[in-house]
Amino acid sequence: DTGVSQNPRHKITKRGQNVTFRCDPISEHNRLYWYRQTLGQGPEFLTYFQNEAQLEKSRLLSDRFSAERPKGSFSTLEIQRTEQGDSAMYLCASSRLAGVADTQYFGPGTRLTVL
Amino acid sequence: AQTVTQSQPEMSVQEAETVTLSCTYDTSESDYYLFWYKQPPSRQMILVIRQEAYKQQNATENRFSVNFQKAAKSFSLKISDSQLGDAAMYFCAYRSAGGSWGKLQFGAGTQVVVTP
Repeated sequence: DTGVSQNPRHKITKRGQNVTFRCDPISEHNRLYWYRQTLGQGPEFLTYFQNEAQLEKSRLLSDRFSAERPKGSFSTLEIQRTEQGDSAMYLCASSRLAGVADTQYFGPGTRLTVL
Repeated sequence: AQTVTQSQPEMSVQEAETVTLSCTYDTSESDYYLFWYKQPPSRQMILVIRQEAYKQQNATENRFSVNFQKAAKSFSLKISDSQLGDAAMYFCAYRSAGGSWGKLQFGAGTQVVVTP
């Protein structure tokens, strides 16, 4: 396993701009999660994919956020019209569906700064 | 909704000594999983140890062990023979055994500082 990768690692943008992050999960992992982590806090769940299907979205995920996993492999998270409150670390995790006991492996995250 | 509480923002330990991190959680479910994750500075989060709620035996992974008290809803992590590489933020996490697609709910974290 090469691990979960995320790009870019850092993104600085101006308020009102759109940004897109990419997550490449561990190959053959069919579950993919997005979390958001603000300074001094633990990660908070945003959304979950099983293969290409988005099965759950947190109420934290406003209409400005959209996530896709078009072929059940990599995933993208887009934020439209960014706000300063969107500044955070965005973490991706993946796991292989194996009963309920699968372990989530995390990527290094994308740190977003909205000026 | 489940909540996870880590009441210690920071813990300091000397090399080779033992430190215990506390975690409590609130749930009405009987079946669930508990985890401790480690997040070193500027590095990705990795799983330290996991515990299934239906198992009475406390999980152990080398120098890491847990004290799982189901009735008290307590899940502490003990790090024995602490090493400089143990310095990191440690997060306690809860996961329901069903109906929530496996999402993790994290506490706010405890920063572990290891001094030589």
